[in-house]
Amino acid sequence: DTGVSQDPRHKITKRGQNVTFRCDPISEHNRLYWYRQTLGQGPEFLTYFQNEAQLEKSRLLSDRFSAERPKGSFSTLEIQRTEQGDSAMYLCASSLGDRGSGEKLFFGSGTQLSVL
Amino acid sequence: QKEVEQNSGPLSVPEGAIASLNCTYSDRGSQSFFWYRQYSGKSPELIMSIYSNGDKEDGRFTAQLNKASQYVSLLIRDSQPSDSATYLCAVRINTGGFKTIFGAGTRLFVKA
Repeated sequence: DTGVSQDPRHKITKRGQNVTFRCDPISEHNRLYWYRQTLGQGPEFLTYFQNEAQLEKSRLLSDRFSAERPKGSFSTLEIQRTEQGDSAMYLCASSLGDRGSGEKLFFGSGTQLSVL
Repeated sequence: QKEVEQNSGPLSVPEGAIASLNCTYSDRGSQSFFWYRQYSGKSPELIMSIYSNGDKEDGRFTAQLNKASQYVSLLIRDSQPSDSATYLCAVRINTGGFKTIFGAGTRLFVKA
């Protein structure tokens, strides 16, 4: 168990550019979540996958955001035409899903995005 | 109404005291509740989970759940300066599929 890995740790980009982040979950975990967190706030749900299927995407998320999880392994989150309001920490979490006793999330270290 | 609400704090307690953190949630059908701890500049880590009404104890931590009042709390006994962090209440809600929603967190400071 090597934990949840995210890459890159930091990304600085100019407004209007596209960015892509990668998340490698814990190997046996079938669920993968993306959250966004800004200073002083809790993680805000963006989307989640059960294996390769994207089960839900936040209604607050614009069409500039897209996520994939090919083959149910790693996941990518792409933001097109970045805006300054996209600046945040993007957190990935994985879990074994519901084992009848709730779901425990394991978080990666996050990708800090700064849009200039 | 937010799905998960917490007082943002900061909550300041002296070393050795009991810290009490509170959370309310809006989805009456929720069955799973969690407390995560987040140190400054780090990611959240799970410290407690609770699924049934009543108390659940784990070392210095006690989680309390009252589904009728839609209320969850976390007590930290014998608070230590190392407990200083943001504590996030999380609730698993059913929106067709299940997902975990977080509150804004309560910042706790334990003064030595």
